[in-house]
Amino acid sequence: ETGVTQTPRHLVMGMTNKKSLKCEQHLGHNAMYWYKQSAKKPLELMFVYSLEERVENNSVPSRFSPECPNSSHLFLHLHTLQPEDSALYLCASSSRGRGLQETQYFGPGTRLLVL
Amino acid sequence: AQSVAQPEDQVNVAEGNPLTVKCTYSVSGNPYLFWYVQYPNRGLQFLLKYITGDNLVKGSYGFEAEFNKSQTSFHLKKPSALVSDSALYFCAVSYLSGGYQKVTFGTGTKLQVIP
Repeated sequence: ETGVTQTPRHLVMGMTNKKSLKCEQHLGHNAMYWYKQSAKKPLELMFVYSLEERVENNSVPSRFSPECPNSSHLFLHLHTLQPEDSALYLCASSSRGRGLQETQYFGPGTRLLVL
Repeated sequence: AQSVAQPEDQVNVAEGNPLTVKCTYSVSGNPYLFWYVQYPNRGLQFLLKYITGDNLVKGSYGFEAEFNKSQTSFHLKKPSALVSDSALYFCAVSYLSGGYQKVTFGTGTKLQVIP
């Protein structure tokens, strides 16, 4: 799993805190993704970036704010979260984000708990 | 809409026995199908994918999947299960939206291999 790394691996925050999740890919890919994985629910696509341009915002609340400064790094800025936002947040990358046959490679995830 | 269904929340199999994890799909056009595995507290790991061609796809760790167009299925199989295969397995379908690749995941099937 060294291809896509995520930090921190675990995060506990209060509802008034501001924190950021970081993702870095070492695969030379040009597309990056944020997913939310909650218990007993399918993976939810949150954001898609291709060549550092946001191409998808899947009706995600504004308390989640993504940032992609370059094709290797992706951030998810968090502020005033709710307890229901507690979940595993997964980052993924793929070659260009434009091909049906592309494989997405995932990081280990950040386990977030909002108190 | 593109979708996949995994009808079993959990599959139990004895070590050494063959295993099957089921997946059916619903897509418009040609299907591009994937299997991923998730171990506890880890991200998703790519196992294999079907693009076109041979209906039997071979992947990592001795897994294979059989594509059946008439039954719209893409079941994951392994001839002899190992205890270490115990994990959560996700079927997924790839499609294009706005010129970019999107992936829809199933709800996951927990595989328990009993020693």
